[in-house]
Amino acid sequence: GEKVEQHESTLSVREGDSAVINCTYTDTASSYFPWYKQEAGKSLHFVIDIRSNVDRKQSQRLTVLLDKKAKRFSLHITATQPEDSAIYFCAATSGGNYKPTFGKGTSLVVHP
Amino acid sequence: AQTIHQWPVAEIKAVGSPLSLGCTIKGKSSPNLYWYWQATGGTLQQLFYSITVGQVESVVQLNLSASRPKDDQFILSTEKLLLSHSGFYLCAWSFDWGGDAEQFFGPGTRLTVL
Repeated sequence: GEKVEQHESTLSVREGDSAVINCTYTDTASSYFPWYKQEAGKSLHFVIDIRSNVDRKQSQRLTVLLDKKAKRFSLHITATQPEDSAIYFCAATSGGNYKPTFGKGTSLVVHP
Repeated sequence: AQTIHQWPVAEIKAVGSPLSLGCTIKGKSSPNLYWYWQATGGTLQQLFYSITVGQVESVVQLNLSASRPKDDQFILSTEKLLLSHSGFYLCAWSFDWGGDAEQFFGPGTRLTVL
């Protein structure tokens, strides 16, 4: 089955700097790659996703890049703010698969 | 607008006691529904999913069961709790066009088994 590895378990940046979180996957059939954010003590909420028919997607300060050849996708956050501090989870799945595989999460800390 | 509600917010239960957790989605017909368990430390484990009323698929065996008695309701239960059941239980829904859809998570239920 699919395996998703989230490479950074923790990431510490200064406010205003950029942060990058990297994930790799194993199943070439995976075609949908969402990212979720979990603030301390709270549930998860969706932040951005990318599908395999594109290699880049941007939403305000967030950009997701997808390299299908390397089976790698990454979340880029620019101009980080303290409220970006949270655990970020990447995931991989496909249309016929209702069992997304999640990475173990990256704890991002943005220092003022 | 769609809303997702989970109950209870938190539970403290004894080992060996029964458990029932609930999840309701309003404002969306025929959603895909999911149950997740998050251990202390953050790893997220999918437990069940359901794409239609009365049909539930198990993803992992953790001595838990799930049912979908109504289109908008998803229930997680067990007759006998184990210490290892402690954690954060999350219900989620997605649009019904397939597995490749963003999931909307409920606020979660914190379960402590003593």
